[in-house]
Amino acid sequence: EVQLVESGGGLVKPGGSLRLSCAASGFTFSSYSMNWVRQAPGKGLEWVSSISSSSSYIYYADSVKGRFTISRDNAKNSLYLQMNSLRAEDTAVYYCARDLKGPQTTWGQGTLVTVSS
Amino acid sequence: QSALTQPPSASGSPGQSVTISCTGTSSDVGGYNYVSWYQQHPGKAPKLMIYEVSKRPSGVPDRFSGSKSGNTASLTVSGLQAEDEADYYCSSYAGSNNFNYVFGTGTKVTVL
Repeated sequence: EVQLVESGGGLVKPGGSLRLSCAASGFTFSSYSMNWVRQAPGKGLEWVSSISSSSSYIYYADSVKGRFTISRDNAKNSLYLQMNSLRAEDTAVYYCARDLKGPQTTWGQGTLVTVSS
Repeated sequence: QSALTQPPSASGSPGQSVTISCTGTSSDVGGYNYVSWYQQHPGKAPKLMIYEVSKRPSGVPDRFSGSKSGNTASLTVSGLQAEDEADYYCSSYAGSNNFNYVFGTGTKVTVL
């Protein structure tokens, strides 16, 4: 069974840092591009970042560029999101998602990040 | 990176049809046949309902259909059922220049 499990969320103060992880299982992780998508409380979905299967191509939304870093470790079947200089508006459930283009799209259950003093 | 535009709400009685629009630009919806639609129930992760404009993943009922004309994509839910009440989001690939994907603003579908 294909599974994505996020972890690392929590409460952090403005200006602080947090590292999210996404553990993948049930498929050949190294063959797929991966993404982070977030959803602020009561709001819609917002694409955050994408990374290609071999990490050759990386993209960020303007709202997080320069503050967030996406990475992956194919040997560990894991995706990461390093979040620095966090702001209140970064408060959201963060989902990792496999391949947002086609039938293989799969989402994790999400991890909540709360930025508050 | 503007979100794709969806109506905030749509509704229909059981058995009726509802159509949700998703308007973008030639740089996203109009430029690629990589439009997806997601269903999201409260507190749950999004579920893929349509990919590549009009294709249904295995297990999604054929009551769900998608189409696209120019910069606007549409999702139609026919034969509405109570369990179809949810939020629906479109998304589109947007190329590799600056950003990759863009999501719609979301539509709340209510089954009356």
